[in-house]
Amino acid sequence: DIQLTQSPSFLSASIGDRVTFTCRASQGVGSYLAWYEQKPGKAPKLLIYATSILQRGVPSRFSGSGSGTEFSLTINSLQPEDFATYYCQQHNSYPLTFGGGTKVEIK
Amino acid sequence: EVQLVESGGGLVQPGRSLRLSCAASGFTFDDFAMHWVRQGPGKGPEWVAGISWNSGSIGYAGSVKGRFTISRDNAKNSVYLQMNSLRVDDTALYYCAKDDHVVPATGHGMDVWGQGTMVTVSS
Repeated sequence: DIQLTQSPSFLSASIGDRVTFTCRASQGVGSYLAWYEQKPGKAPKLLIYATSILQRGVPSRFSGSGSGTEFSLTINSLQPEDFATYYCQQHNSYPLTFGGGTKVEIK
Repeated sequence: EVQLVESGGGLVQPGRSLRLSCAASGFTFDDFAMHWVRQGPGKGPEWVAGISWNSGSIGYAGSVKGRFTISRDNAKNSVYLQMNSLRVDDTALYYCAKDDHVVPATGHGMDVWGQGTMVTVSS
């Protein structure tokens, strides 16, 4: 199985900050890497798939990059509604897998 | 409105079986792959199983392979998860999710999620 390691596990940031967190895969996943945002008591929400394709309706301050085994999600100008936990997920091959998450909290 | 509604969760003893259902509406069901994803208390999401639009491609997490079976009935706009030989560590909120593509792997990610149905395995 492909293991996904996210870093950092926890990030403290302020409104307006630019934040970037990473997702490393134990083997190559091509460009098939997605990012989700989850808030307490809610289902995950798809932000980005295929590394960098923004899901419809997701603000353009979110962007994704990377390839192979190393990927990143960047949020430009952090907004109050962005404080949440972010998960990466590889959709290259079975079994699909999720990373352990990065929790973004208000500094 | 695009909607997924899960049902069938509950309290079950270890070793017993349970069948989850997910009813889809608001989109052309047989155009898309479907997934089951679970999330244990205080944990991150764990992909459980996925099925392509025509049931021709199916995959499972190693932790459930041989015990769980995913299926779909396109005529009923529904996807199912048959869970056998349940274990305490299967306790989780089970989500049904739609892929934005016809196949689960090399798909487009899970763009619509249900509210989840809770499965508790305990004696």
